Amino acid sequence: QVQLVQSGAEVKKPGSSVKVSCKPSGGTFTTYAVNWVRQTPGQGLEWMGGIVPIFGTAKYALKFQDRVTITADTVSNTVYIEVRSLRSEDTAVYYCATEPPECTATGCLYYFDNWGRGTLVTVSS
Amino acid sequence: EIVLTQSPGTLSLSPGERATLSCRASHSVNNRSLAWYQQRPGQAPMLLIYATSSRASGIPARFSGSGSGTDFTLTISRLEPEDFAVYFCQQYVTLAPPYFSFGPGTKVDIK
Repeated sequence: QVQLVQSGAEVKKPGSSVKVSCKPSGGTFTTYAVNWVRQTPGQGLEWMGGIVPIFGTAKYALKFQDRVTITADTVSNTVYIEVRSLRSEDTAVYYCATEPPECTATGCLYYFDNWGRGTLVTVSS
Repeated sequence: EIVLTQSPGTLSLSPGERATLSCRASHSVNNRSLAWYQQRPGQAPMLLIYATSSRASGIPARFSGSGSGTDFTLTISRLEPEDFAVYFCQQYVTLAPPYFSFGPGTKVDIK
């Protein structure tokens, strides 16, 4: 299984932005979707959104669609998530996770088969 | 919004015992959209089960999933020391806009 390598921990001030990256080591994303899931002590696991890099169109959870942008650079084979207007509640571990394209005539399967190790983002004044 | 609840919150068992974890949805869930993950301390979640009952690659046969509609179960037939962890269920809802959501988790700890 390809290892997903994420960028390092960040400490940010409230109101600023953060951009976290995710890149497969020794492989490519091919037709997989790359999703972002964050984990906070209070909210558990939260899906933020995802993108299929070769198509470039992202989808977002309603809660995050105004403050989050997910992009893909197909040249460097890297997916990014940017979170703007950070507040203390955004302090969390941010994971990227791949979603395999498993669709047949009877429907599609939806799950995350491979996760990065996570990036801790701390928002503090 | 379809909400997932998991029970119990904590399950205290001994190695070798059977663990039965429940995941309940507030509305009916498509079986193809229900998955289970294991998370050990300090690690990322790891896929165990997808499409309700299919084991992911490399997952031991002691892990099994079942259920339909609103009630789903993850069973660990005989707990090994490495199985003491937190378990999350996940669904995908195909409404507009579509979204993934997770249950709050069940912690399996050593009795």
